[in-house]
Amino acid sequence: NAGVTQTPKFQVLKTGQSMTLQCAQDMNHNSMYWYRQDPGMGLRLIYYSASEGTTDKGEVPNGYNVSRLNKREFSLRLESAAPSQTSVYFCASSETSQVYGYTFGSGTRLTVV
Amino acid sequence: AQRVTQPEKLLSVFKGAPVELKCNYSYSGSPELFWYVQYSRQRLQLLLRHISRESIKGFTADLNKGETSFHLKKPFAQEEDSAMYYCALEGNTPLVFGKGTRLSVIA
Repeated sequence: NAGVTQTPKFQVLKTGQSMTLQCAQDMNHNSMYWYRQDPGMGLRLIYYSASEGTTDKGEVPNGYNVSRLNKREFSLRLESAAPSQTSVYFCASSETSQVYGYTFGSGTRLTVV
Repeated sequence: AQRVTQPEKLLSVFKGAPVELKCNYSYSGSPELFWYVQYSRQRLQLLLRHISRESIKGFTADLNKGETSFHLKKPFAQEEDSAMYYCALEGNTPLVFGKGTRLSVIA
């Protein structure tokens, strides 16, 4: 079982470039999430999708868009990257019930120069 | 609003010493609380859920609603416990994480 798979693992962008971070889960989970992890800031929620066909903003959504392509896949897009978006991005998924917690991907380390 | 506070950025203990990682929360309803751990170069993984009242890798955590705390404890630290620990709360929104505490166990 792969769990939650994120691609790419590393990426360097120039300011103003765009890119999409991909996330797929094979656990038939209803809910999916995107977090960013910054030193001293912990993990902050960018966007989430409670179920297929729905998306909602989290704590830090500015500069990002998301697409819940189907039940398995939830992508995060940076339309015009900024140095402030340099971070490690984690995708996660969960059942609707929180009994088992979230399952996280291995992360994407993004640097914007 | 949901908020999680982990007052210590770094906690260093000697091997065999007791460990307590502090977590306080703010939430007006009945929260679901969790501890997650991130070992070096690994993904974040669930360590404990308050609802299950379990002990994992020797760690326990008790929810104290009066003090709004969910501290993580282990009686005897091991070197392999060195990692980043995050306390997290789910209320009426997805998980909100604290800023994390880095535990360093010194041999």
